[in-house]
Amino acid sequence: AQSVAQPEDQVNVAEGNPLTVKCTYSVSGNPYLFWYVQYPNRGLQFLLKYITGDNLVKGSYGFEAEFNKSQTSFHLKKPSALVSDSALYFCAVREGNYGQNFVFGPGTRLSVLP
Amino acid sequence: SQTIHQWPATLVQPVGSPLSLECTVEGTSNPNLYWYRQAAGRGLQLLFYSVGIGQISSEVPQNLSASRPQDRQFILSSKKLLLSDSGFYLCAWGEMPYNEQFFGPGTRLTVL
Repeated sequence: AQSVAQPEDQVNVAEGNPLTVKCTYSVSGNPYLFWYVQYPNRGLQFLLKYITGDNLVKGSYGFEAEFNKSQTSFHLKKPSALVSDSALYFCAVREGNYGQNFVFGPGTRLSVLP
Repeated sequence: SQTIHQWPATLVQPVGSPLSLECTVEGTSNPNLYWYRQAAGRGLQLLFYSVGIGQISSEVPQNLSASRPQDRQFILSSKKLLLSDSGFYLCAWGEMPYNEQFFGPGTRLTVL
């Protein structure tokens, strides 16, 4: 069965500093990995995905994520955080070609302090 | 381009009343459609998904049901709401096998 862990419930970072939101996963086959962001009372917005190829994936709003197969991780990063990046972030995994559905992590709340 | 609509945006209903939430997608054909519930602004629980008209799969036993009467229409229903049905309901669509899911704006349901 697929599973996703986001070990940090809350991440605080100062504006202008680099940020990392952690995600680890478990699947039987090849993982398809995704990051989403959610602002209050809104739907989830897609940020980026890893399907295959380069382990460093670049996405929207200056975010990037690094796929690490040996550590089964897919951490979200940004070189310089903005106050407007404050939101709830979800990691999700789908199991290769066989999985119809996503499994979402519990979410990490990011607060960027001015 | 593709868009996804949900309505209503907010809903307050008494316990025991019926429910109907609607989701429609534009700009794509034969999408996979999904209903999620999000409680207390946190994790998402997959309720139902559909790979085609009339094809519904339920992920958890519950007080809710789903239907897909048209290719791009997905409806979430209940005959009698419970207090525990309160939450933020999100509809999403996606294309297999590589693509991400795209989410609607959500419906905030409060059952009193």
